[in-house]
Amino acid sequence: DTEVTQTPKHLVMGMTNKKSLKCEQHMGHRAMYWYKQKAKKPPELMFVYSYEKLSINESVPSRFSPECPNSSLLNLHLHALQPEDSALYLCASSHPLTGQETQYFGPGTRLLVL
Amino acid sequence: AQKVTQAQTEISVVEKEDVTLDCVYETRDTTYYLFWYKQPPSGELVFLIRRNSFDEQNEISGRYSWNFQKSTSSFNFTITASQVVDSAVYFCALSDPGRDDKIIFGKGTRLHILP
Repeated sequence: DTEVTQTPKHLVMGMTNKKSLKCEQHMGHRAMYWYKQKAKKPPELMFVYSYEKLSINESVPSRFSPECPNSSLLNLHLHALQPEDSALYLCASSHPLTGQETQYFGPGTRLLVL
Repeated sequence: AQKVTQAQTEISVVEKEDVTLDCVYETRDTTYYLFWYKQPPSGELVFLIRRNSFDEQNEISGRYSWNFQKSTSSFNFTITASQVVDSAVYFCALSDPGRDDKIIFGKGTRLHILP
């Protein structure tokens, strides 16, 4: 089973709202990722958690706040977003980092900021 | 610099035709990994293949095949007897040297299979 689940599938929020995106995997993967993908572009890495610790933050604005409560869950907290933050947000996971393991992606959350 | 080039932005073929998606990469590493992902309109990135730099054997999986040539730094993907369900954006990706957690995506090729 290589399933990564994400909720919600779609989200519309105003610039003053606070919302959270959720990601879950039960494959025993210890690395989890958030990506942002704009239309007709490849995914861009935002954050990486390795063994529940934040290992990579690709200079993402502080209005995006990741959280990894346990080895199966990854959240992305959103606050005071801008319309340009509208995008597809993808979560991925991979085995422990023993040499570029394959990343498995979830279906994504389509976010619209009004 | 590490880079993945997918020169074909968009391709349209008629169903049952064969189609090849090109991928050319640049890396300073001798050990690296290459990937192909499929992204249908639903949005999910579907893993297709992972190949390490020491394994130059071509791979076949059903109607899909991959041709890895280190001499030309290419990792091309061929779909034989294409079907409408193959319509998607296909991304080629390369491992980032020294960064086990990061892969570098090409810009993707949008494939339209016409009935």
